[in-house]
Amino acid sequence: KQEVTQIPAALSVPEGENLVLNCSFTDSAIYNLQWFRQDPGKGLTSLLLIQSSQREQTSGRLNASLDKSSGRSTLYIAASQPGDSATYLCAVTPPGSARQLTFGSGTQLTVLP
Amino acid sequence: EPEVTQTPSHQVTQMGQEVILRCVPISNHLYFYWYRQILGQKVEFLVSFYNNEISEKSEIFDDQFSVERPDGSNFTLKIRSTKLEDSAMYFCASSEGGGLDEQFFGPGTRLTVL
Repeated sequence: KQEVTQIPAALSVPEGENLVLNCSFTDSAIYNLQWFRQDPGKGLTSLLLIQSSQREQTSGRLNASLDKSSGRSTLYIAASQPGDSATYLCAVTPPGSARQLTFGSGTQLTVLP
Repeated sequence: EPEVTQTPSHQVTQMGQEVILRCVPISNHLYFYWYRQILGQKVEFLVSFYNNEISEKSEIFDDQFSVERPDGSNFTLKIRSTKLEDSAMYFCASSEGGGLDEQFFGPGTRLTVL
């Protein structure tokens, strides 16, 4: 059974700092990996999707990498801002026709002004 | 920008009552999903729906749960006889299908069972 782990559980950084969030998964047979942002009491906002054949994806200040063989992904946030404060979740889908996401428990990020 | 919408935003019900949670997926999407998040816990998959039938379901999705696409736009989750442990945030999601398959989530319905 796929397990997704995110470390650290919480992170607090000063504004302007570059940071890395980590995600690991136990079964390397994945179809894709998706990073989300969740604000308190709100829904999930998709940030980036990386297909299993890709190594990285970029969107603005965000860069996500994927190393499928080692079961790891990182989300790099450049020049962090207070508005980046949220919980960041990673999730993977299995190969084949099944498309359900298996989520990690998230990293709660606080960017201090 | 197209988005997934859900109603109601908050539903309070008595244990044993039936509830229906409603979702309008993004219009050109073909795959629909329900997930739930119990307070303080991970987001968990419940069910996926494609071509008017369930394609996958988790162990959580037992006989108390059902899904339906009653018309061309709505996608519903019904819980027949709610239990206290059904209290959670329920998220609907949809994806286009095909190779990319990025899932887009709605804002959620907070279900409180008393």
